[in-house]
Amino acid sequence: EVQLVESGGGLVQPGGSLRLSCAASGFTFSSYEINWVRQAPGKGLEWISYISGIGSVVYYADSVKGRFTISRDNAKNSLYLQMNSLRAEDTAVYYCARGGSGTYSAFDIWGQGTMVTVSS
Amino acid sequence: SYDLTQPLSVSVALGQTARLTCVGNNIGSKNVHWSQQKPGQAPVLVMYRDNDRPSGIPERFSGSNSGNTATLTISRAQAGDEADYYCQVWDSSTWVFGGGTKLTVL
Repeated sequence: EVQLVESGGGLVQPGGSLRLSCAASGFTFSSYEINWVRQAPGKGLEWISYISGIGSVVYYADSVKGRFTISRDNAKNSLYLQMNSLRAEDTAVYYCARGGSGTYSAFDIWGQGTMVTVSS
Repeated sequence: SYDLTQPLSVSVALGQTARLTCVGNNIGSKNVHWSQQKPGQAPVLVMYRDNDRPSGIPERFSGSNSGNTATLTISRAQAGDEADYYCQVWDSSTWVFGGGTKLTVL
């Protein structure tokens, strides 16, 4: 079964750090772009980061640029999001989502999400 | 930055046709994707590249894109179609989502 499973969410104080993981299974991980998307409580979807299949190209939304770092380990079929200098407005469910075949393709597989709460 | 505008809510009678719009500057020149999200669940892709349906998505779902408006059309609406729907495009090295439309089936 093609699957993405996020982990690493939790409660963190403002200014703190957290590292999210996304474990992939059921497909050739290195062949696909992966994205992080978040959703604040009661709000819409917000794309925050992209990484190419081999990890050589990354992009970030302005809201997280300079604070978050996306990376992947294709040998471990895993994606990561290092989040530093966290703010209350970073509170959200964080999803990893696979880009379909091709470049900059629609997100055809989503994980179930992991909740990040930034609060003192 | 590129903006996508979706109506906050759309209502449709059971069995009728719902049309969900996504407005963006010259959006017709871009590939538009649509995702469906039900409460407490992760989004699910229901349309990609304007009018291609992923496997498992009913033929009742169709899409179009021209000029400044992309449209997701849901024919013979069912109670199970009630959800939030998001349009999405790639622009200037970023993914952009619309604000989402809540579809209510009456």
